[in-house]
Amino acid sequence: DIQMTQSPSSLSASVGDRVTITCRASQNIKNYLNWYHQKPGRAPKVLVYAASSLQSGVPSRFSGSGAGTDFTLTISSVQPDDFGTYYCQQSYSGPKTFGQGTRLEIK
Amino acid sequence: QVQLQESGPGLVKPSQTLSLTCTVSGASISSGVYYWSWIRQHPGKGLEWIGYISYSGSTYYNPSLKSRLTISKDTSNNHFSLKLTSMTAADTAVYYCAREVAVMVSFYYFDFWGQGSLVTVSS
Repeated sequence: DIQMTQSPSSLSASVGDRVTITCRASQNIKNYLNWYHQKPGRAPKVLVYAASSLQSGVPSRFSGSGAGTDFTLTISSVQPDDFGTYYCQQSYSGPKTFGQGTRLEIK
Repeated sequence: QVQLQESGPGLVKPSQTLSLTCTVSGASISSGVYYWSWIRQHPGKGLEWIGYISYSGSTYYNPSLKSRLTISKDTSNNHFSLKLTSMTAADTAVYYCAREVAVMVSFYYFDFWGQGSLVTVSS
């Protein structure tokens, strides 16, 4: 299986901060990488697919980049509603696998 | 708007079989290039993909669960189901159903999810 590793595991940010979350794949997954946001007690929601394509309806402060094994999700200006956990997920091959998550706290 | 809704028991005894159903509205599970998946989340943990059944009825299971897992669909009622045998405490989790869509031919992601169903394994 392809292993996905995120960093950091958690972070705290103030409203207006720029935040970057990193995801690394255990092998080359080209750009078959998706990002999700999950709030406590809720199902995840897709933010970015194919590494850099923004899902319809997702605010433009979210962006994704990367290819191969290294990917990033950036929030250009964190808002109060952005709290929760962010997951990356590969859809390149084998069973779908997720990163372990990055928890974002708003100060 | 596509909606998915899980249903099933909240409590299962060890060694028993879990049966969950996901009822879909707003889309047909037998049309379009969609894959109807089950995903679970252990308490306080990350996400684990369980498996899917495609619009055409083909299935693909996570190898870690394959020996205990069956995913099927009922097109007349527009729902799909999961059966997981020999349940243990390690299977205690929130179980989500989700639709996986293909875009730009080969890029897949989960675009609609159910709200999740907590399943506890305990005697």
